[in-house]
Parts: sequence; C-alpha cells; structure tokens
Amino acid sequence: NAGVTQTPKFRVLKTGQSMTLLCAQDMNHEYMYWYRQDPGMGLRLIHYSVGEGTTAKGEVPDGYNVSRLKKQNFLLGLESAAPSQTSVYFCASSPLPGSNQPQHFGDGTRLSIL
Amino acid sequence: GNSVTQMEGPVTLSEEAFLTINCTYTATGYPSLFWYVQYPGEGLQLLLKATKADDKGSNKGFEATYRKETTSFHLEKGSVQVSDSAVYFCALRTPGAGSYQLTFGKGTKLSVIP
Repeated sequence: NAGVTQTPKFRVLKTGQSMTLLCAQDMNHEYMYWYRQDPGMGLRLIHYSVGEGTTAKGEVPDGYNVSRLKKQNFLLGLESAAPSQTSVYFCASSPLPGSNQPQHFGDGTRLSIL
Repeated sequence: GNSVTQMEGPVTLSEEAFLTINCTYTATGYPSLFWYVQYPGEGLQLLLKATKADDKGSNKGFEATYRKETTSFHLEKGSVQVSDSAVYFCALRTPGAGSYQLTFGKGTKLSVIP
C-alpha cells in the first residue's frame, strides 16, 4: 500500500546549490504532478507529465526542471536553489482521464533554502 | 481562467458543533469538484467529490452539494470531532490540454477543541 512515495522528507540547502526530489508511484498511473504549497497560497502546479517521456509546464515552472524517464518515477530538479523556493513540495499521480479518479498525493518534502 | 475561493480561516469550533466551510468557483465548461483534507504532517487526501450539478458527495459525515446556479460546493458536517482538525482544500478539475490538473483554493484550517 505504498501509493505515492517522496524522498527526501526534509532538506536544507544553501542558495545556489542543486538537488533533485524523487517521486515514485506504484499504482501504474499515467499522470504525475509536482506542486508547491506555501502559506496562504494553497497548492500551485509546477510541472506535470501525461506519460513516460513527456513533461509540461504548470502555473509556476520557473527555476525547476523535471524528468519522467520511467512511468513510475517523476523527478523535480532545482539547478540553483533560491530562498524563494523554500516551500513544501507535493507529488501526485492519477490514472488516465475518463476514469474520474482523484489525484493521490505523497506526504510532501519540506525544503528550506538558506 | 479557473479559480476557487474558499472561506478564510482559521476556524475554531467546539466538539459537536456544526461546520460549514464555504467554497465558490469560476470555471469554463463543466468542472468536477473536490474537497481534500490535509492532516498535520501529511499529504492531501480526497475527502469527497461531485462530478455534475446537484450531485452530493459524502464521506466520514461530511457532505457537499454541487450547486451550478450559485457556483458553490460548500462543505458541511453536523457534529465535528477533535480528529477533524485539519486543513481543508476545495478544488476543481476541468479537462483540457491533456493535463486534468486541479485548481485549489487557499485552504481553511479547522481546529476543534474538546
């Protein structure tokens, strides 16, 4: 019953450092998403993927890159971290459209940029 | 574009009180509507959903009715418990551009005191 697993759960970076957040899902879902959650802002979509090998920009993509080399994994990269990227990051997945199934979320990665 | 407006929090209630969290939306087409709940330190979980006008979603004593005429999807519970303390997010989904992304409200924090 793993569902959506995010690693790491916590991380502290210095400005300018790079890192990759990993999201893995074991539900064979086609769609995967990365969101950031900031106080008073709700969740905002960073990037998403509609299938292996495809990615697309969401609402707030600047400063982030993503890759979906395998269907079950969706990676979020920060090439040069900035304090404005301090946030809680959530990954989600969902099956093909038309199934009317909801998005399933991971437990989040809390990232602090100093 | 799509948007979701929900009641500002935080909301503090005594155990067994009646709960209403207001949610209104703006969307093109015919969206599906959702309530997600986020317990402390966890990711978002689907609480209930409605996919067409006049549908009522319900789960764990919570209810919400899809009102197209007022573009609303208010969350209600007749008798809250301490274990209902969480952040509640209203969200909508309209199919388009292959993304099936969710648009979230900013969240309403509920605290229930004994």
